[in-house]
Amino acid sequence: AQTVTQSQPEMSVQEAETVTLSCTYDTSESNYYLFWYKQPPSRQMILVIRQEAYKQQNATENRFSVNFQKAAKSFSLKISDSQLGDTAMYFCAFLPTGNQFYFGTGTSLTVIP
Amino acid sequence: GAGVSQSPRYKVAKRGQDVALRCDPISGHVSLFWYQQALGQGPEFLTYFQNEAQLDKSGLPSDRFFAERPEGSVSTLKIQRTQQEDSAVYLCASSHWDRTYEQYFGPGTRLTVT
Repeated sequence: AQTVTQSQPEMSVQEAETVTLSCTYDTSESNYYLFWYKQPPSRQMILVIRQEAYKQQNATENRFSVNFQKAAKSFSLKISDSQLGDTAMYFCAFLPTGNQFYFGTGTSLTVIP
Repeated sequence: GAGVSQSPRYKVAKRGQDVALRCDPISGHVSLFWYQQALGQGPEFLTYFQNEAQLDKSGLPSDRFFAERPEGSVSTLKIQRTQQEDSAVYLCASSHWDRTYEQYFGPGTRLTVT
């Protein structure tokens, strides 16, 4: 079974500080993709960052970076220099071979001015 | 179009009514996906189309749920005899056929069954 677990329902961070969101997953597959999506109140799912499991190098997109630990099946998101616009729900997602995404239950992040 | 569009954005239905939710994918995207997002949860896969062919409908929760994409472009998710547990946001996503790891999501339709 494929599962994604986000153990932090809510988090907050001061503006300009750094915050890390946690995600673990369970799979028996060796090749897959991992994602972090942002969902603001508008409900639009916005891709933040993507990691391919066969790549050892951690993905980075501007202020967003991941810590991908394949053996531990861990995929955390670090947001540096947090901005007010980062306030949103963040979903960790997993795509094994095939076409079906598996999403975690989300972490609600609030950036405090 | 510029992105995936969905209509209506909000739908209120009385229990027992039938509803139809529409998805317009990005032009040229062969693959189309439907997800159901209950309140406070992450999206859950419902069904997948490649062109007009429905290749996977394993996530549809009951036979009251039906999806179609007759011309391989616009898709409609139909829910018959709606129940309160059907209340959720229904998200549509599309992608190129060989790049399903790049799914672009629409804004969703919030369905409330009273």
